[in-house]
Amino acid sequence: GAGVSQSPSNKVTEKGKDVELRCDPISGHTALYWYRQSLGQGLEFLIYFQGNSAPDKSGLPSDRFSAERTGGSVSTLTIQRTQQEDSAVYLCASSLEGGSGYTFGSGTRLTVV
Amino acid sequence: AQTVTQSQPEMSVQEAETVTLSCTYDTSENNYYLFWYKQPPSRQMILVIRQEAYKQQNATENRFSVNFQKAAKSFSLKISDSQLGDTAMYFCAFMSSLSGTYKYIFGTGTRLKVLA
Repeated sequence: GAGVSQSPSNKVTEKGKDVELRCDPISGHTALYWYRQSLGQGLEFLIYFQGNSAPDKSGLPSDRFSAERTGGSVSTLTIQRTQQEDSAVYLCASSLEGGSGYTFGSGTRLTVV
Repeated sequence: AQTVTQSQPEMSVQEAETVTLSCTYDTSENNYYLFWYKQPPSRQMILVIRQEAYKQQNATENRFSVNFQKAAKSFSLKISDSQLGDTAMYFCAFMSSLSGTYKYIFGTGTRLKVLA
């Protein structure tokens, strides 16, 4: 597509439920990133996918968080047994090559009540 | 570990005037990239300007320019002829070229308000 598409735009879930956030990157971009932006804080790296290489999961805050990228395109970030501290905006970005800068999506605002 | 510091949480500027946003960073690397991103209320992060550390010339994009001082580890953003549409959060970001991941280290942001 023309840009990075994320869905849903907003998600309200009850504490303890699982959620899935979707990211559709720009066609042809081999690198895909997930970041988390908590209220009043900067952006925190979560996970990175590059082509067929093993993902860099070093930013995932706990084992309740996981992500996959199917067919080198669409990615899904899954949060299991959501907690209130998971409330944040989750931003996805894609890049054609390292160092060139990312194109970000508009994010998913997750609210855990 | 690399860190990025934006010491101005909020700033305001009159329309048509010039404003400078500060950013300092800490790294032991010699080759890296620096970026400024703009985040309007729509939440989408928009790339404003990019600087490669090995280039001495300061990057410029229309009304946006940077003052890159490598020895001082400083990377400030100058916005000339400020417009109402420049109102947004501005994030400074560092990217290492060594890790192979090309992930950003972001500062905490500066909220800029352009006044009519």
